[in-house]
Amino acid sequence: RKEVEQDPGPFNVPEGATVAFNCTYSNSASQSFFWYRQDCRKEPKLLMSVYSSGNEDGRFTAQLNRASQYISLLIRDSKLSDSATYLCVVNTGFQKLVFGTGTRLLVSP
Amino acid sequence: DTAVSQTPKYLVTQMGNDKSIKCEQNLGHDTMYWYKQDSKKFLKIMFSYNNKELIINETVPNRFSPKSPDKAHLNLHINSLELGDSAVYFCASSQRDRGIEEQYFGPGTRLTVT
Repeated sequence: RKEVEQDPGPFNVPEGATVAFNCTYSNSASQSFFWYRQDCRKEPKLLMSVYSSGNEDGRFTAQLNRASQYISLLIRDSKLSDSATYLCVVNTGFQKLVFGTGTRLLVSP
Repeated sequence: DTAVSQTPKYLVTQMGNDKSIKCEQNLGHDTMYWYKQDSKKFLKIMFSYNNKELIINETVPNRFSPKSPDKAHLNLHINSLELGDSAVYFCASSQRDRGIEEQYFGPGTRLTVT
């Protein structure tokens, strides 16, 4: 089983749509969780951290369910500029981040 | 000013050659990393250095040898290149006491081995 699993997509949505991505992780001792964004042929960049209480940053909402070892990212009112690959990332506690393979989002006009 | 820079951006070489990739960060971070992203876009850590000391070595073939002359630089030398080494190599940095999640990545080096 992979340490971090994501649906690779692509998710094709129209502008203005709401879209949700899910991620599961296998190591119950994992300490912290994040979403990174990677544009085509670019480097990954931190989008937001994920907390058990849930956190929101503008149109983006992240949620963590430790009991189910499940992380989610919700994007409301999708923009064309949201088109990218979204990487679920887990800090397993061994001083390293483990990246999921990413979920590709395509937002169309 | 580029925070994390890598050279070269593209590298095309033949099997069996030896090549190096350089990385520099001007963020004042104390920890640097090398990642490999393969053709399936899977990003996996290879090495991590903290203040020039190797702290993570993820079962990478010993043809790969990182070197950190100072905490702002982390270079990667690859001997006897193989076809399977073709990938994008990303350098990253972070400040350890702020947690490792805030990693800043360089633009990547696209290595093609023919």
